[in-house]
Amino acid sequence: EADIYQTPRYLVIGTGKKITLECSQTMGHDKMYWYQQDPGMELHLIHYSYGVNSTEKGDLSSESTVSRIRTEHFPLTLESARPSHTSQYLCASRAQGATEAFFGQGTRLTVV
Amino acid sequence: GENVEQHPSTLSVQEGDSAVIKCTYSDSASNYFPWYKQELGKGPQLIIDIRSNVGEKKDQRIAVTLNKTAKHFSLHITETQPEDSAVYFCASYSGGGADGLTFGKGTHLIIQP
Repeated sequence: EADIYQTPRYLVIGTGKKITLECSQTMGHDKMYWYQQDPGMELHLIHYSYGVNSTEKGDLSSESTVSRIRTEHFPLTLESARPSHTSQYLCASRAQGATEAFFGQGTRLTVV
Repeated sequence: GENVEQHPSTLSVQEGDSAVIKCTYSDSASNYFPWYKQELGKGPQLIIDIRSNVGEKKDQRIAVTLNKTAKHFSLHITETQPEDSAVYFCASYSGGGADGLTFGKGTHLIIQP
């Protein structure tokens, strides 16, 4: 069982609200990632980090932002949620120099 | 950048039969090919992987084959069981780019009782 946790698991929120999705890992991994998973299952990389104070945008443009103040924590924030943000968000981490990525269980976000 | 194509998008097989999922990649520098399984309500989890210097790898009922010349690799599941029902993702790792790991679009495997 991977030691990477996402909270909340499910979230229903109104349009215009600010939300933060939490992701924490206890494996000491430097690299962390956020993926957006659409209903068709495809994984889209939206943000990644190589370590503390490092954040980069992924392949899919996203209105969300991320921060990496601590190695173990990589939160994702939406300043003003919209129905188009409704999706499953998956966090993952990987050790420097390693190839295996460990995923959290995901947050299913619904914006109404 | 790397492009990974995965087929089929949905696969339905009878319990006990074999299932095969195929992927192709474009970057000849890719050297590592993992397969992830995502069960309902969970995140993807690594089930088997293969490196470019190996042609085949087995782990009990699952096996992965790699053809570097043709740039394709496949996942084989034999004697399928209900717990094999899940979404399977192939991926390739080239060590470069934004992340180095590029995923296929996924295959929804359904095991019919």
